[in-house]
Amino acid sequence: KNEVEQSPQNLTAQEGEFITINCSYSVGISALHWLQQHPGGGIVSLFMLSSGKKKHGRLIATINIQEKHSSLHITASHPRDSAVYICAVRSDFGNEKLTFGTGTRLTIIP
Amino acid sequence: DTGVSQNPRHKITKRGQNVTFRCDPISEHNRLYWYRQTLGQGPEFLTYFQNEAQLEKSRLLSDRFSAERPKGSFSTLEIQRTEQGDSAMYLCASSLSVAGLPNEQFFGPGTRLTVL
Repeated sequence: KNEVEQSPQNLTAQEGEFITINCSYSVGISALHWLQQHPGGGIVSLFMLSSGKKKHGRLIATINIQEKHSSLHITASHPRDSAVYICAVRSDFGNEKLTFGTGTRLTIIP
Repeated sequence: DTGVSQNPRHKITKRGQNVTFRCDPISEHNRLYWYRQTLGQGPEFLTYFQNEAQLEKSRLLSDRFSAERPKGSFSTLEIQRTEQGDSAMYLCASSLSVAGLPNEQFFGPGTRLTVL
């Protein structure tokens, strides 16, 4: 079992729909990252969070430390949101290693 | 452009050859990380530096792999005697570490290696 599991692996939705991507992890963490990867490989950091909720534009990230679960929400989805979304966790053992999920491929259809 | 840069962006090589990649982090960042990503998978941690010191290495980093950050600025990742299984995207990231707190990592565009 991977330390970081994401669901769904693939998601196709119509423009305007509300999107939820889930991330579950099995280790103690000091922080969780949500990343966006476009075709060609470039990775952009969307959020880093240790508790609660963060919002940036149409993106919202939440984390429940007790349940070891995080969600990334996209409101009013747009075709330009099409990308792979990756969850990554930093362990609480004081090292810098990030452990990544396998990603969720999101496709928004106009 | 003040982001993380990587060179080359693409590298095609024959099995058995040596390759070297370069990463230039954001200038004030003291930490630099190398990751590897194979097709359809999330990135995997390889190693990281704090300034010029290499502080952690993954078991994925076999003896054929070596990374350096000689002056605490740019870093190089060398793969000797490449194998087809080394084909992957090699990603570099940098961050500014403050008092050991979790910090955001900024990623470069990656170097895609193809070993024929």
